[in-house]
Amino acid sequence: DAGITQSPRHKVTETGTPVTLRCHQTENHRYMYWYRQDPGHGLRLIHYSYGVKDTDKGEVSDGYSVSRSKTEDFLLTLESATSSQTSVYFCAISSGLAGQETQYFGPGTRLLVL
Amino acid sequence: AQSVTQLDSQVPVFEEAPVELRCNYSSSVSVYLFWYVQYPNQGLQLLLKYLSGSTLVKGINGFEAEFNKSQTSFHLRKPSVHISDTAEYFCAVSRGNTGFQKLVFGTGTRLLVSP
Repeated sequence: DAGITQSPRHKVTETGTPVTLRCHQTENHRYMYWYRQDPGHGLRLIHYSYGVKDTDKGEVSDGYSVSRSKTEDFLLTLESATSSQTSVYFCAISSGLAGQETQYFGPGTRLLVL
Repeated sequence: AQSVTQLDSQVPVFEEAPVELRCNYSSSVSVYLFWYVQYPNQGLQLLLKYLSGSTLVKGINGFEAEFNKSQTSFHLRKPSVHISDTAEYFCAVSRGNTGFQKLVFGTGTRLLVSP
């Protein structure tokens, strides 16, 4: 258990509304990640963070923004939700010795955009 | 860029039978390799990882995997499965460097264990 929580765990929203998902960690990890999981695609990286206020894009970042104002919190925002963003969202952190990091995942947030 | 192929989307097997879940990767640089398991409605849990050293890696729940550089494979095996092993299994690869760890996942293999 890497001390990762995600909120909310389930959310239903309507197309066009903004949505913010929260990832919280308790162990002061520097690197945090947001993934989405879709059938037939595995997990794909949306955004990641390498420190407070330091973030960068992953492979499927369009339509998403992130913020990290505190080490422990990494927020994912869908500015205007679309049905294609219906997915399960996972937060992860990197932990381990330099050069031997391993990613550990939170429990996920199931998002349905109607 | 790295990529991962899990050719089998679903593997049905009877309880107490052996199983092998296949994973092939492509990369022009040294890599780290991982297997994760996802039980229904849960997050991903690390099963095992290869970073360096011995090519045979043992993980939790009796699973093991062998890194084969010449065949660019990292197949997951278990000699005798249980009903509780029913889950989805993901192979992942990352570059062998420090800091930001870009994990690339395969599409997953669903293991279905029946009595």
